[in-house]
Parts: sequence; structure tokens; C-alpha cells
Amino acid sequence: DTAVSQTPKYLVTQMGNDKSIKCEQNLGHDTMYWYKQDSKKFLKIMFSYNNKELIINETVPNRFSPKSPDKAHLNLHINSLELGDSAVYFCASSQERGVDEKLFFGSGTQLSVL
Amino acid sequence: QKEVEQDPGPLSVPEGAIVSLNCTYSNSAFQYFMWYRQYSRKGPELLMYTYSSGNKEDGRFTAQVDKSSKYISLFIRDSQPSDSATYLCAMETNAGKSTFGDGTTLTVKP
Repeated sequence: DTAVSQTPKYLVTQMGNDKSIKCEQNLGHDTMYWYKQDSKKFLKIMFSYNNKELIINETVPNRFSPKSPDKAHLNLHINSLELGDSAVYFCASSQERGVDEKLFFGSGTQLSVL
Repeated sequence: QKEVEQDPGPLSVPEGAIVSLNCTYSNSAFQYFMWYRQYSRKGPELLMYTYSSGNKEDGRFTAQVDKSSKYISLFIRDSQPSDSATYLCAMETNAGKSTFGDGTTLTVKP
């Protein structure tokens, strides 16, 4: 009964390919996120959706496209993969609770672009 | 049982207090240990990043890792109201598998 689950855990692919990472949360949260973790472990927000609507869209190449079919799912599609896309991508969710807005993370997807 | 357990809080302390935030884990393959701080409505920012057992200090913050007990802590000395945030522990194996704790919300009262 994993709260936030993302698949696949590992993804190895060639430059130029298109790939997707899926995320699902069963916490009933309204908000979902995609984060990119760099090699130094810094987390950078990429996108945030609230009730299927895009609310945060940071400076991310438009090769990255999030899709939220419903509020429990937020998938990340990446076109024309580049070497620099290699990183760990985390999905997360949260429920707006005023000042106490905790994030719940998935286990990450390690993407390696060869 | 979760792989990473973090004291849920909330934790409320007076300004100047020493704060101890803790996580335990069950996966002995975890080798890298991180602490993130998340202010309300902001993304988590990396505070400390350590590898293997021991202490690492950065200003008022000390991260402690005890691999034999599978226990990590973050100490905040002379806590300030600006330290009020949610603190997340995270751990990673050599294979890159990461797991986050659920976060501890800290309030430092002036």
C-alpha cells in the first residue's frame, strides 16, 4: 500500500529516445510534483499540478511534458532525451493544510541517458 | 514497516533551544544520508549531505550518522524562528535507490 509510487525505478536509454515516467498517489492529495535531483543531491522543482491543473512550471526544456489524467496521477514524458537529462526524478504529493504542507515522495526513478 | 521512519512531530521549541531531529532506517544498504529543509509552500532545499557514519557540522547544524544503530540525527543549535520549517531525512543506496522520511514540522517560538 505504497503512498506515492513511481515507475520505473531505473531507466537506461539512448540519446534521442522518448520515455515516460509514471506516478500515482493513493493519499487523496490534491497536489502532485515532479522534482529533479542532481548529482549533488539538490532537489529542483520542475512541475506542480493541483487537481489536474498546472500551477508550477519552472524553467524546464519543453522536451519535458507533464500529464495529469486525474488528481491521483502525474506522468512525466521526455522527448529527445539528452545526456544532461541523466538524474534521479522524484514524484511527490501534498495536501494543502494551511502552513503545514508536508511532501510525500516516491522512491525515485534513476534515469541514465547513454 | 517503512524503510525510513521519522519522528512526525510537530515539534515546538523556544528560541535558542537545541533541536534534535531523528530518523531510523531498516535497509543496511543505505550509504548516503541527506537532510532537507522545506519552508511552507516552497520546495525542499538540501541542508546536509553525508556519507558513512560520523558527524558533519555546518554552522549551527550538525548531522550525525550511526550506521550500527541505523539512526541519523540533525541537531540545530541556538535555534531561531527562521528555522521553523519541515525537515526531511532522505537516504540512498549505492545503486541510487532513495527513500525519504515523512518529515518533521518544527516551530521555533520567539
